[in-house]
Amino acid sequence: KQEVTQIPAALSVPEGENLVLNCSFTDSAIYNLQWFRQDPGKGLTSLLLIQSSQREQTSGRLNASLDKSSGRSTLYIAASQPGDSATYLCAVKTSYDKVIFGPGTSLSVIP
Amino acid sequence: DAGVIQSPRHEVTEMGQEVTLRCKPISGHDYLFWYRQTMMRGLELLIYFNNNVPIDDSGMPEDRFSAKMPNASFSTLKIQPSEPRDSAVYFCASSRIRGPGELFFGEGSRLTVL
Repeated sequence: KQEVTQIPAALSVPEGENLVLNCSFTDSAIYNLQWFRQDPGKGLTSLLLIQSSQREQTSGRLNASLDKSSGRSTLYIAASQPGDSATYLCAVKTSYDKVIFGPGTSLSVIP
Repeated sequence: DAGVIQSPRHEVTEMGQEVTLRCKPISGHDYLFWYRQTMMRGLELLIYFNNNVPIDDSGMPEDRFSAKMPNASFSTLKIQPSEPRDSAVYFCASSRIRGPGELFFGEGSRLTVL
């Protein structure tokens, strides 16, 4: 059974700092891994998707990496801004097409 | 495209009443997922469909929950009878079979059962 964990559960950083969010999964047989952002009271917005054959994806100040063999992904946010404050969730799509989410990391960027 | 559309956005009901949540996936998407989000349990996958056929409903908590997808553009999640512990935000999401398989979410339906 695929399980997804994320550390830390919460993170508070000063504006301008670079930061890394971590995601781990127990079964390496995944189809893809997706990072989402969720603002309070809102739905989930897709940030980056990494297919199983890829090692990383970049979008602006965001960079996500994937190491299937170790069951890990990281989301790197460069030069953080107060507008980056949100909950970040990772999700893996299994070989059975299920999409399983981690519990999320709550990020607060202090001006 | 309008994105995934869910209704109602908010529902307040009394224990024992029937609740029906609705979802319209993105046109052309083959997969439809129903999730429930609570503070305690996070995002839980309830059920998902492939081309209108339920593939895995092992996440449906009890027989009080049922989901249908009568056609490619509409799905319902029904709770009968509802209980206070069903209070949560229910999300619908859709994706394509082909390609990277990016998942797109609706805005959610916030359910409060009194």
